[in-house]
Parts: sequence; C-alpha cells; structure tokens
Amino acid sequence: EPEVTQTPSHQVTQMGQEVILRCVPISNHLYFYWYRQILGQKVEFLVSFYNNEISEKSEIFDDQFSVERPDGSNFTLKIRSTKLEDSAMYFCASTQGADYGYTFGSGTRLTVV
Amino acid sequence: DAKTTQPNSMESNEEEPVHLPCNHSTISGTDYIHWYRQLPSQGPEYVIHGLTSNVNNRMASLAIAEDRKSSTLILHRATLRDAAVYYCILRNSQGGSEKLVFGKGMKLTVNP
Repeated sequence: EPEVTQTPSHQVTQMGQEVILRCVPISNHLYFYWYRQILGQKVEFLVSFYNNEISEKSEIFDDQFSVERPDGSNFTLKIRSTKLEDSAMYFCASTQGADYGYTFGSGTRLTVV
Repeated sequence: DAKTTQPNSMESNEEEPVHLPCNHSTISGTDYIHWYRQLPSQGPEYVIHGLTSNVNNRMASLAIAEDRKSSTLILHRATLRDAAVYYCILRNSQGGSEKLVFGKGMKLTVNP
C-alpha cells in the first residue's frame, strides 16, 4: 500500500536554528498538508498546498514557516528560527481530492532545546 | 468548520464488535464524514469515509443515519491493535484542498 514518507523521524535542534522537515507524498496525490501535534494535545492544521502554491494556512503558520515542493516529489516544511514552543510531532499528509481519504506520514518529532 | 461530537472514551472487549458513535447535527449536504484513528506515537490513519450510503472496507463499516446527523463506525471484531484515539471529522466536498480539522477524538480501550 502506498505510503507518505517523512524524514527524519526525530530531529533535535538548538533554539534559533533553521530546520527542514521532509516528506514524500504519494505520487498521484494532488493536495498536500502539514499538521503538528504538541505532546498531549490535538492534531493542528498548519498549511495546505496545491498546484505549487499555498491554499490555506493557519495562524500558527507565521513568517517563520515556509513550504516548498522543489522537485515534484518532495514536500518540505522549513522553520527559519526555531523556538522552544515549536517542539512537536509534525505530520505530512496528502490526498487525491474531495472524494478520497487522506494519507498521513508517521511524523517527525522535533525537539528544540 | 462543521463540528462533530464524540464520547471522550469507550471500552470494548477483544474479538467483540464495537460501535463508535458520532453526532454531526449541523452537517451540510456537501460534507463527507471521515473517520481516522491514531495509535500511540503514530500519525493519524485513514479508516473510512462516506457521504450518504453506508460504506464497508477491510478495516471497518460506516453506518450513516438517514438524516445524516449521526454516524457510527463499526469495528466488527476488535483486536488489541484497534486501541487508539478515533476521530470523526466532516470534510466539505466542494473544496479540493479542504483541510481536515481534528477534535479531541474518542479513546478506545480494548480489553483482552
């Protein structure tokens, strides 16, 4: 069964450093998403991406965040200057569209120290 | 975003059927009903979705009320691996890139 692949599985970074979280969505999917989940809390929407541009972003997705689909297969989330409160699990997801389910990756655990 | 209401938690016994309810009284005609589950330390996993008719797949069945204001996810034979947080989410069909909005979900405990 096709999978959404995320790397790395765990990243530890110092506050103020830039991090890039990587995702390979399922190849025939058209819509891509990033979510995050702080330990013990709900899964929160960050951003959706379609046709090489952002479709929607949440209040969490401020100027420190950016997304890119550089080569038609990878989908990346960049945090320019990490804060302690960015520590969370980050999930990538993709879907073919309205009448389909969403497939999530297994996540990247980001720890900011 | 349209909202759903689920119990905070449920318990079931292994190898017995379990019915997970969800209320969505404000559902619109273009909202799909999606179910996902999240096992500990894993990402959300798609379970099933439907619009009006009942749906079956290898994981579960989805029973949708005639007025669509409630639905029930049916696990026909619960296993220990089914212990997870289950999310019932409405997803509008009119927006291609429409996001899923997760609530707190419902924690299912499966007793051996």
